[in-house]
Amino acid sequence: AQSVAQPEDQVNVAEGNPLTVKCTYSVSGNPYLFWYVQYPNRGLQFLLKYITGDNLVKGSYGFEAEFNKSQTSFHLKKPSALVSDSALYFCAVRVTNSGNTPLVFGKGTRLSVIA
Amino acid sequence: GEEVAQTPKHLVRGEGQKAKLYCAPIKGHSYVFWYQQVLKNEFKFLISFQNENVFDETGMPKERFSAKCLPNSPCSLEIQATKLEDSAVYFCASSQSVSSGNTIYFGEGSWLTVV
Repeated sequence: AQSVAQPEDQVNVAEGNPLTVKCTYSVSGNPYLFWYVQYPNRGLQFLLKYITGDNLVKGSYGFEAEFNKSQTSFHLKKPSALVSDSALYFCAVRVTNSGNTPLVFGKGTRLSVIA
Repeated sequence: GEEVAQTPKHLVRGEGQKAKLYCAPIKGHSYVFWYQQVLKNEFKFLISFQNENVFDETGMPKERFSAKCLPNSPCSLEIQATKLEDSAVYFCASSQSVSSGNTIYFGEGSWLTVV
């Protein structure tokens, strides 16, 4: 069975500092990995995904994530946080070659960027 | 359209009443997914469709929940005889064809409150 762990419920960071939101996964097979962001009372917005190729993936709003197969991780990063980045972040996984199976989500990490 | 459109945005039902939610996927997307987000932010997969055919219904509480995607109509999720624990945000999502690497795009959600 697939699963995603986001070990931190809350991450606080000062504006201008680098941020990291952690994600580890467990799948039987090769993963496709996704990050989504949810702003208050809004839907999920797609940020970036890892399918194949370069382990460092760049996405929307200056975010990037690094796929690390040996550590089964896909941490989300941004070099310089903005107050407007404050939101709920979800990591998700799908197994490759499994048809259009649903995404399995982590429990979410709330990011708070303090001015 | 270019967005997943969900209606209504908010719905309040008394316990035992019926609730029906609608979703128009992005034009050209063949796959539709329904997810339930409960108060602790966790996402629970309910059901997916490939065009009008049920693709995966492993998450559906079958005794009260039903869903359809009929040609030339919005998809729908219906809850008969709602219970308090059905209070949640219901997200519809869509993606293009089969590959698991396809991005799944989410709507803004329908907030169901059962009182």
